[in-house]
Amino acid sequence: QKEVEQDPGPLSVPEGAIVSLNCTYSNSAFQYFMWYRQYSRKGPELLMYTYSSGNKEDGRFTAQVDKSSKYISLFIRDSQPSDSATYLCAMSYNTDKLIFGTGTRLQVFP
Amino acid sequence: DTGVSQDPRHKITKRGQNVTFRCDPISEHNRLYWYRQTLGQGPEFLTYFQNEAQLEKSRLLSDRFSAERPKGSFSTLEIQRTEQGDSAMYLCASAREPGTSYEQYFGPGTRLTVT
Repeated sequence: QKEVEQDPGPLSVPEGAIVSLNCTYSNSAFQYFMWYRQYSRKGPELLMYTYSSGNKEDGRFTAQVDKSSKYISLFIRDSQPSDSATYLCAMSYNTDKLIFGTGTRLQVFP
Repeated sequence: DTGVSQDPRHKITKRGQNVTFRCDPISEHNRLYWYRQTLGQGPEFLTYFQNEAQLEKSRLLSDRFSAERPKGSFSTLEIQRTEQGDSAMYLCASAREPGTSYEQYFGPGTRLTVT
């Protein structure tokens, strides 16, 4: 079993929809939770990070962490075609290496 | 542009050849990480440095892989005697420690193709 599980998709939604992306994890020692966006053949771009449980909002993006369920989510409001990319969740025990999910491919069509 | 840079962006090599990749981190970042990403997978950690010190290298895939950061600035990743299974995207990231090294910023990657 992988430490971090993420549905690879693809997830296809119409422009303007609310998108929900999720990851589950097995190790309760994870404390830092990140979401990255990766366009095709590019490096991952840090979108949001959260320490421990709770919610964090940044513009159209909201990240949620539920440590009791070992479940994290990223919500994208008013999705745009430019949001079409692969979204990677990542986690860390401390401040060292990141453990990534496989990524969910998102397609937002006009 | 003050982001992480990597060179070359693409490398095609024949099996058995040695290759070296370079990473230049964000200038004030003292931590530098190397990851490998294969198609359809998330990045996989290889090794990392704090300044010149290599703090973890147990995840380097074999003794054919080595990394250096001699002056605490740029880093190189070398793969000796390349194999077709080494074909992947090699990503570099940097961060600032103490305090925010979970905020890792990635470069564009070096795509390696071994023929």
